Amino acid sequence: EPEVTQTPSHQVTQMGQEVILRCVPISNHLYFYWYRQILGQKVEFLVSFYNNEISEKSEIFDDQFSVERPDGSNFTLKIRSTKLEDSAMYFCASSAYPETEAFFGQGTRLTVV
Amino acid sequence: GENVEQHPSTLSVQEGDSAVIKCTYSDSASNYFPWYKQELGKGPQLIIDIRSNVGEKKDQRIAVTLNKTAKHFSLHITETQPEDSAVYFCAASRNGNNRLAFGKGNQVVVIP
Repeated sequence: EPEVTQTPSHQVTQMGQEVILRCVPISNHLYFYWYRQILGQKVEFLVSFYNNEISEKSEIFDDQFSVERPDGSNFTLKIRSTKLEDSAMYFCASSAYPETEAFFGQGTRLTVV
Repeated sequence: GENVEQHPSTLSVQEGDSAVIKCTYSDSASNYFPWYKQELGKGPQLIIDIRSNVGEKKDQRIAVTLNKTAKHFSLHITETQPEDSAVYFCAASRNGNNRLAFGKGNQVVVIP
């Protein structure tokens, strides 16, 4: 069964450092998403991406965040200068169309210290 | 924006019994309501979804009902099995997978 894979599974970083979270979406999917879940809170939408452009972004997705599809297979989320409150589980997802099933990766747990 | 509330937060059921999880949403323009199951160490996996043009959908032991007037939707699992033990999330959006608003999740424990 096709799956979305995320690396690393756990990342620890110092406050102020840049981090890049990586995702390999399902190969024939065209729509990509990042969501995050702070411990004990709801899963929150960050951004959606299609045709090499951001389609939608939430209020959380400020100038510290960026996304990129650097090649035909990877989809990355970069946080430029991490803050303690960025500590969360980050989920990547992809879908063939915006209205078809979104497949989620297993998540990257980001811990900012 | 959309706000989804999910109840109860935990649910224990005897194997073979039914489990029901309820969610409410706030945005009357929401039209897509997926349910996800998350097992330990894995990401959320879609188990069933419903759109606002239908009131009920069933897939084997799983069913979802939607009441647009009351703005709530429910997941029903019949004949529960130990492998149904997981965290279940409801979500809602106006536009498919974009801006899905999730509930807080419900830990379901099926007791053998």
